[in-house]
Amino acid sequence: AQKITQTQPGMFVQEKEAVTLDCTYDTSDPSYGLFWYKQPSSGEMIFLIYQGSYDQQNATEGRYSLNFQKARKSANLVISASQLGDSAMYFCAMRGSGGYQKVTFGTGTKLQVIP
Amino acid sequence: AAGVIQSPRHLIKEKRETATLKCYPIPRHDTVYWYQQGPGQDPQFLISFYEKMQSDKGSIPDRFSAQQFSDYHSELNMSSLELGDSALYFCASSLGGTGVRKSEAFFGQGTRLTVV
Repeated sequence: AQKITQTQPGMFVQEKEAVTLDCTYDTSDPSYGLFWYKQPSSGEMIFLIYQGSYDQQNATEGRYSLNFQKARKSANLVISASQLGDSAMYFCAMRGSGGYQKVTFGTGTKLQVIP
Repeated sequence: AAGVIQSPRHLIKEKRETATLKCYPIPRHDTVYWYQQGPGQDPQFLISFYEKMQSDKGSIPDRFSAQQFSDYHSELNMSSLELGDSALYFCASSLGGTGVRKSEAFFGQGTRLTVV
């Protein structure tokens, strides 16, 4: 079984500042993928960044980076230079690589960017 | 690049009616997943298909059924709708099989179902 834990129900960040959203996970799969999704108020689930469990380097996508610490089972999302449009719900998720496993989501963190 | 397409985007139904949601996966993706997201909730897994066969089942009510067709699109059929079925329904697609890179999954924009 896989489990994702997001301990921050809500976060505030000043515009142009960096923010870290926490995510820890638990799995018995030797190989897995970790994701972050952004869900604005419109409801769509927007893929942000992906980290494979065997990737040697932390994933980066523009202003998003994933701080992957495998031994600690954490996969924190760092958003640099926050923008007002970053205000949304953020979900950490994971999926095993074996076969057709479902994506398991955390409970999400609501981020609000303050002008 | 082509993404996962869901239709309709919005649907309003009355209690006890039926609804059919459609999902068209990314080309060459052979695995489809359905999720239900209630207001203020995280997405809950309903069911998945690989190569037209059910591959996993989550908390899907018996009133719901789904299938994947030969062109890999999938339909979620919901009968005897209840007020509690009002939610955002997501479809996701991925490549089945094994391998770390195969763990990526992409979501559609969702169908917002309102039962009145």
